[in-house]
Amino acid sequence: AQSVTQLDSHVSVSEGTPVLLRCNYSSSYSPSLFWYVQHPNKGLQLLLKYTSAATLVKGINGFEAEFKKSETSFHLTKPSAHMSDAAEYFCVVSPNAGGTSYGKLTFGQGTILTVHP
Amino acid sequence: DSGVTQTPKHLITATGQRVTLRCSPRSGDLSVYWYQQSLDQGLQFLIQYYNGEERAKGNILERFSAQQFPDLHSELNLSSLELGDSALYFCASSVGLATYNEQFFGPGTRLTVL
Repeated sequence: AQSVTQLDSHVSVSEGTPVLLRCNYSSSYSPSLFWYVQHPNKGLQLLLKYTSAATLVKGINGFEAEFKKSETSFHLTKPSAHMSDAAEYFCVVSPNAGGTSYGKLTFGQGTILTVHP
Repeated sequence: DSGVTQTPKHLITATGQRVTLRCSPRSGDLSVYWYQQSLDQGLQFLIQYYNGEERAKGNILERFSAQQFPDLHSELNLSSLELGDSALYFCASSVGLATYNEQFFGPGTRLTVL
């Protein structure tokens, strides 16, 4: 079984300040982990993914995330927020096992990021 | 633009009715996934097809069914609709079966059941 907990439902930052969106996961298998972003009235877009290679993963638009197995965490960070970063962010886990787990993603509840001028 | 198309964008119907949502995956992608996004349940995986065959099932109700056709487009059929089925339905596609493949999401179909 697998689950994802996004620790904050809303995060508010000022433009130019750092962003931290927190995610903890639980998985019976060595997981793949993803962060997706959803802008209003749009589909989801992949920001970055971890698949058991480097633990620090760099994504698009200056975002990065660090996989910490001991803490079962996969927090998303960005050094300097931009107004265009305002969106909803989803932490996602998927098992790396085969069988009936193919392609099955489990989504966190989402974190809405607000960026103030 | 992800390359995944979904039709229609909006659908308004009544309880008890049946609707069909359509998805065309990105060129070259063999896997298609369906997701439901609602305020109370969040984003939930419904079902995955790969090259015409069902490969994984999530929280899909028995009133819902899907299929993937030889040209790889997919349809999600929702029947005996209830008010609680109102949601945004996303389709996604990826090149292969594996869980680490990036999934590309369509813009969604917003279903309203009155």
